[in-house]
Amino acid sequence: GAVVSQHPSRVICKSGTSVKIECRSLDFQATTMFWYRQFPKQSLMLMATSNEGSKATYEQGVEKDKFLINHASLTLSTLTVTSAHPEDSSFYICSAREGDSRETQYFGPGTRLLVL
Amino acid sequence: GQNIDQPTEMTATEGAIVQINCTYQTSGFNGLFWYQQHAGEAPTFLSYNVLDGLEEKGRFSSFLSRSKGYSYLLLKELQMKDSASYLCAVTDSNYQLIWGAGTKLIIKP
Repeated sequence: GAVVSQHPSRVICKSGTSVKIECRSLDFQATTMFWYRQFPKQSLMLMATSNEGSKATYEQGVEKDKFLINHASLTLSTLTVTSAHPEDSSFYICSAREGDSRETQYFGPGTRLLVL
Repeated sequence: GQNIDQPTEMTATEGAIVQINCTYQTSGFNGLFWYQQHAGEAPTFLSYNVLDGLEEKGRFSSFLSRSKGYSYLLLKELQMKDSASYLCAVTDSNYQLIWGAGTKLIIKP
């Protein structure tokens, strides 16, 4: 199957700092990338959908000014958590899709963020 | 509203067979996915069904009945490494992926 990488895999930061997470599709061009958040023992929660070259579409309740998403190329999307707080500590997972919605989403390995 | 139901937790014995059910009520249907997620890891793709019937892939099979809004994932010859959560997800008429809460499968020796 297709390969999606995510970096870093784990990050610990101080409250008030910003953290950038990268998501790359390694062997295909990702028309659409998705960012999810997952709290312990809970299901995936979609945060936003980004299409290459256009603004991300955020889900209700997700602050676009706090979670900045940039999908600058067909193989790279970044999520920046600005002014992180302890409640932002979570498992952030990206996924990428090559074509239209009939195609499978392939997930990156996830980034575990801990804000102290 | 849109809803996907699957059991919260199931237990099975190594070497046995287990069936994980998923029922859905969504605004339209454009395909159903099954993903496996081990604790602390991201989900990995298992199967995709868009037409009625059974899709077999090694030890795993997935079945779909669109008229009943029902799918199941069948795991045969269970191994300890199959202990994981299994997520059912449906693409609705707006091509949004709706996720179930997942079924935690515990395999006992």
